[in-house]
Amino acid sequence: GENVEQHPSTLSVQEGDSAVIKCTYSDSASNYFPWYKQELGKRPQLIIDIRSNVGEKKDQRIAVTLNKTAKHFSLHITETQPEDSAVYFCAASKQGFQKLVFGTGTRLLVSP
Amino acid sequence: NAGVTQTPKFQVLKTGQSMTLQCAQDMNHNSMYWYRQDPGMGLRLIYYSASEGTTDKGEVPNGYNVSRLNKREFSLRLESAAPSQTSVYFCASSEAQRPAASEQYFGPGTRLTVT
Repeated sequence: GENVEQHPSTLSVQEGDSAVIKCTYSDSASNYFPWYKQELGKRPQLIIDIRSNVGEKKDQRIAVTLNKTAKHFSLHITETQPEDSAVYFCAASKQGFQKLVFGTGTRLLVSP
Repeated sequence: NAGVTQTPKFQVLKTGQSMTLQCAQDMNHNSMYWYRQDPGMGLRLIYYSASEGTTDKGEVPNGYNVSRLNKREFSLRLESAAPSQTSVYFCASSEAQRPAASEQYFGPGTRLTVT
């Protein structure tokens, strides 16, 4: 079955810096790649997603890139702010299947 | 809209006790899911229901059973709780119309401790 690896497990940056979180997946048939943000004590919430027919997607300070050949995708956060501090999860899924396989999460800490 | 709701929020069980976690959604979603979240392990799928009347195992189904009571409700039962089931449990739902997957909406979670 699908396996998703996520790195790094923790990431500390200064406010205003950029942050990059990387994930790799094993199943070449996977074609949907969402990113979820989970603040402390809260539920995970979708922040951005990308499908395999697109190489990059942006939403304000957040962007996701996908390299199907290498089977990896990344989350990029620019101009980080303290409120970006949270755990971020990547996930992968195959078309026609509703199951998501999640990475193990990255704890991002943005210091003022 | 309340979205996805879960009860209870917290629960402490003794080893061997049973309990049912309740989940309901008011978004008319077809698919519902149960996950457990453990430190350093991310979110792992226990069971899911692609549509009313169907249920399937996820990555970690042992020790659990589920019931899709109707389109709105999806319950998770622990028949004989074990300390290894201490975790935070999240229910989620999605529209997930084939062929494309879609956003999953999560409930607030249930923190379960088994002593």
